[in-house]
Amino acid sequence: NAGVTQTPKFRVLKTGQSMTLLCAQDMNHEYMYWYRQDPGMGLRLIHYSVGEGTTAKGEVPDGYNVSRLKKQNFLLGLESAAPSQTSVYFCASSYSSSQPQHFGDGTRLSIL
Amino acid sequence: AQKITQTQPGMFVQEKEAVTLDCTYDTSDPSYGLFWYKQPSSGEMIFLIYQGSYDQQNATEGRYSLNFQKARKSANLVISASQLGDSAMYFCAMRERISQGGSEKLVFGKGTKLTVNP
Repeated sequence: NAGVTQTPKFRVLKTGQSMTLLCAQDMNHEYMYWYRQDPGMGLRLIHYSVGEGTTAKGEVPDGYNVSRLKKQNFLLGLESAAPSQTSVYFCASSYSSSQPQHFGDGTRLSIL
Repeated sequence: AQKITQTQPGMFVQEKEAVTLDCTYDTSDPSYGLFWYKQPSSGEMIFLIYQGSYDQQNATEGRYSLNFQKARKSANLVISASQLGDSAMYFCAMRERISQGGSEKLVFGKGTKLTVNP
């Protein structure tokens, strides 16, 4: 039972570099989410998707883009990484918006 | 304005005792839901318990129960018979409508760090 799988688990980038975080879920969930977690704060929603081919902005979308080309995958892209994007990124999925969200193990991203 | 408030940055409890973690919320939507998640030092987010705004009874899941007081807008987590493995960060979150279309998101509090002492 894989659940929600995030890759990579750790990454160090230089300012200005780009990268893509991958989230895959095998539970046939419609809803998928990307959050970031910073010290002393709870999780904040970056972008989300309510189904294949759809995406929408969350609380803190600036500097990020997402795509949901396949139902099971939700990609988070950083086009030009900035030190302020140093954070732990969590992907989550749920069957519906009122059902509990299942989280991946997180990706620790450091931008120098 | 903060929508989820967890006023206890840290809490300590003796093993086998019960502990209550506070959570208050703010919403004008009559339909909402409240979640509690546990985040151990290993980092993963683990769903514990859910309470819907229209649920008549307080939610319970094993040693976890939710003391839901709608008029006070509080949804406190009660952990009975604490175990050493309960030491973790605990986050309260509220399901909030994003758009007229009905999409919803979770809004998280800042968390409470629980330490269970032997």
